[in-house]
Amino acid sequence: DADVTQTPRNRITKTGKRIMLECSQTKGHDRMYWYRQDPGLGLRLIYYSFDVKDINKGEISDGYSVSRQAQAKFSLSLESAIPNQTALYFCATRGNGLPYNEQFFGPGTRLTVL
Amino acid sequence: AQTVTQSQPEMSVQEAETVTLSCTYDTSESDYYLFWYKQPPSRQMILVIRQEAYKQQNATENRFSVNFQKAAKSFSLKISDSQLGDAAMYFCGIIQGAQKLVFGQGTRLTINP
Repeated sequence: DADVTQTPRNRITKTGKRIMLECSQTKGHDRMYWYRQDPGLGLRLIYYSFDVKDINKGEISDGYSVSRQAQAKFSLSLESAIPNQTALYFCATRGNGLPYNEQFFGPGTRLTVL
Repeated sequence: AQTVTQSQPEMSVQEAETVTLSCTYDTSESDYYLFWYKQPPSRQMILVIRQEAYKQQNATENRFSVNFQKAAKSFSLKISDSQLGDAAMYFCGIIQGAQKLVFGQGTRLTINP
């Protein structure tokens, strides 16, 4: 089984709908991250969490919210989806300690907002 | 704030040849770490190689090596003996301090048979 899973893998929705993307991990890591990937822009950080009581905004948090339900679960919500939130979304985890530690990514969620 | 720039949106190379992907970054810190990730068509992000800024020796992983120029804030990736399976998007990234990994825009690498 994959260490970092994301659901759904693909989603098409309409403008104004509320959407939740879920991430679960079995690596026992405290640090979890949400990124979005757009062509020509690379991966940009939306939110990150160092433990269940620690939530931090990334560089593009407007229009998004997150919930860290447990050490292993980190959800990203779009309260009212808009077309420019169409993108590929990645969840990632990192172990404690050194920044040198590898960051592990989920398989991504392709979100299309019509 | 850290920034990472990959100035080559696309690169191509003949199979078995060598290719170098460029990456420059900006940071005010002296202690940081640099990464290259690969994203094949499956879209899975895969760590290729990493480098600690305090180490002068360039990192090497099999056919992948880096040319780390700290003063120039440059971190290029060299792929030797290119293989068809190397075709992917490649992302350069930096992490420091608060442990947020910041990525560049990516370079799409095509391998010509």
